[in-house]
Order: sequence, then structure tokens, then C-alpha cells
Amino acid sequence: DGGITQSPKYLFRKEGQNVTLSCEQNLNHDAMYWYRQDPGQGLRLIYYSQIVNDFQKGDIAEGYSVSREKKESFPLTVTSAQKNPTAFYLCASTHTGGQPQHFGDGTRLSIL
Amino acid sequence: QKEVEQDPGPLSVPEGAIVSLNCTYSNSAFQYFMWYRQYSRKGPELLMYTYSSGNKEDGRFTAQVDKSSKYISLFIRDSQPSDSATYLCAMSASGATNKLIFGTGTLLAVQP
Repeated sequence: DGGITQSPKYLFRKEGQNVTLSCEQNLNHDAMYWYRQDPGQGLRLIYYSQIVNDFQKGDIAEGYSVSREKKESFPLTVTSAQKNPTAFYLCASTHTGGQPQHFGDGTRLSIL
Repeated sequence: QKEVEQDPGPLSVPEGAIVSLNCTYSNSAFQYFMWYRQYSRKGPELLMYTYSSGNKEDGRFTAQVDKSSKYISLFIRDSQPSDSATYLCAMSASGATNKLIFGTGTLLAVQP
């Protein structure tokens, strides 16, 4: 069954700690995206990647890092430089060229 | 001013009612328009995808795009309690990067 898998569903971060959120897709999509969702603010783009070994900053990239070593995988690291990391993080993917994005079920990150 | 404006609700309707959800936008370059449904603690699920102006119907759902007014709508006929969710509009200007701009979402409650 094709889809986007995000793990873990819940994650807790201690002060000064980096944490990595996993996103895997088996849809053979070229492009992958990371969004942050906060109450009342909609989804905001953190990073996106249209091809392996290449990625671009979105609107709120500060304090985050990504890698795209495989087509299927686009992990997001929330670094200690991100001072307000508590949010719902969503990963999406799509074929390039005007196709709509499809989303995983998210990871909720909280501060300990 | 936000690029995409969406009334956050909450909107409460009785079962069987026709629901109208709306978004306005300011960027005339937007060409691709989407509606997503998001249940609590889940990722957004694509409901409707429209290119340029016009109407699109899928079962109980109808999406309308009026580019001249910069206004999009989602109509839900014969609403069901299972339609209770947050509805997000999203749009993009170009198919190349698929960068989506989201509304903040409207919370809908359908009362049995």
C-alpha cells in the first residue's frame, strides 16, 4: 500500500538537544517537503527537495536542517538553534509538474 | 496582508446541511487550487484539486474557482458527522516547485 510514513508520532526534545524526524515515501515521488503547523497559522514550509542530493530553504528554515540521500527519504533535524520547536510537523511528497502534494500523518514535537 | 485568507470558524451545522467553505487570495499568479481535509492529530488528506478557473465535482463535494474575484469555494452537500474536521485551502503559482500557500483552515462540526 503506497503512502508516506512519518515517525515517530510523538517526540520530546530536551534543551540543547537535536532531534531527527523521519519521513519515508514509497510513491516514487520526486519532490518532498517539510511543513510546520501551529494553531491558527496554517502550514508553513520549512524545506523542500525536488531531487536527490538537492534541497532548498522554505519560509522558516532557521533552526532546521535536512538531507536527501535517497529518493524515498527526507529526514528533518530540529536543532538546538530552533528556540520554539513545539509544533506538528508534516511531510509531503509529489511528482513534479503541477501535481498536488500528499501528506503523512505527522510528528508532534514537544519540549521536555 | 496574508496571501491566502480563510475564516477559521468554527462552523457548526446540522447533519444534512449544505456547507460552504471559502478562501480569498491576493496573488493573481496562483493557478493550482486544492482543498484538504484534516482530522485531529492526522495529516491533511487531499479532497479536491483544480487547475485554473471553473467547477469540479466529486460525489458530495464541489470545488469552485473564480480567478477574476480571487475567490475559491468548497461545497459539501448532505453533510455528515464524519465530515467534521478542519478544511484547508491551498494554492500555488507554478507547477515546477509546487510551493503551496495554505489558508489557516476552517474547523467544521456537523451535528447529528
